[in-house]
Amino acid sequence: QSVLTQPPSVSGAPGQRVTISCTGSSSNIGAGYDVHWYQQLLGTAPKLLIYGNSDRPSGVPDRFSGSKSGTSASLAITGLQTDDEADYYCQSYDRSLSGYVFGTGTKVTVL
Amino acid sequence: QVQLVESGGGVVQPGGSLRLSCAASGFTFYSYGMHWVRQAPGKGLEWVAFIRYDGSNKYYADSVRGRFTISRDNSKNTLYLQMNSLRAEDTAVYYCAKDGVRGAGRPGLRYFDYWGQGTLVTVSS
Repeated sequence: QSVLTQPPSVSGAPGQRVTISCTGSSSNIGAGYDVHWYQQLLGTAPKLLIYGNSDRPSGVPDRFSGSKSGTSASLAITGLQTDDEADYYCQSYDRSLSGYVFGTGTKVTVL
Repeated sequence: QVQLVESGGGVVQPGGSLRLSCAASGFTFYSYGMHWVRQAPGKGLEWVAFIRYDGSNKYYADSVRGRFTISRDNSKNTLYLQMNSLRAEDTAVYYCAKDGVRGAGRPGLRYFDYWGQGTLVTVSS
């Protein structure tokens, strides 16, 4: 029962830009807690993509960017590549649950 | 480089117990909090538990509180998850993950910067 809602799927042609939304509430994103994003390629462990709302770990291409506003956050992928086909999850902290919460996950398909 | 290697997964009957281990290397283990995160087959990610860098505080998801216990041995660079009273709905791949914040930090800042490859736990009769 995820408390962060993401679209089940998004798709785009190679080279295009896609965005993934992550909608929370006043007990998580809206409370000011940071949002982080993970990429999970098929059959592998998740990998950190964005932390602290908009920071990229070393080695993550600048085609990936994150933003946050109010009770929502977004992940943008520009210059879409076939290697970007994966599941993407947002994550934050929820003060009502006193724990860490993930989004429902979004599958990105490159057409 | 950071390495996290889980072990201890397997098949267990409902009501049974299992202990998972996570061997860490490539970073100062005693300086970082650690998490367990699980993923049921074909489902999304679910945070399970967190332990502070010094083991002084532990936090659990409602779904496992009272049944699972997270612990660590900083002398062995190893994280553990003791799972008791297992249920079918505990069936999942269990990942250990390193916290991205060094030392004590506010809960709202935490994230998972490195993950192990996961170990599969199947609860079935």
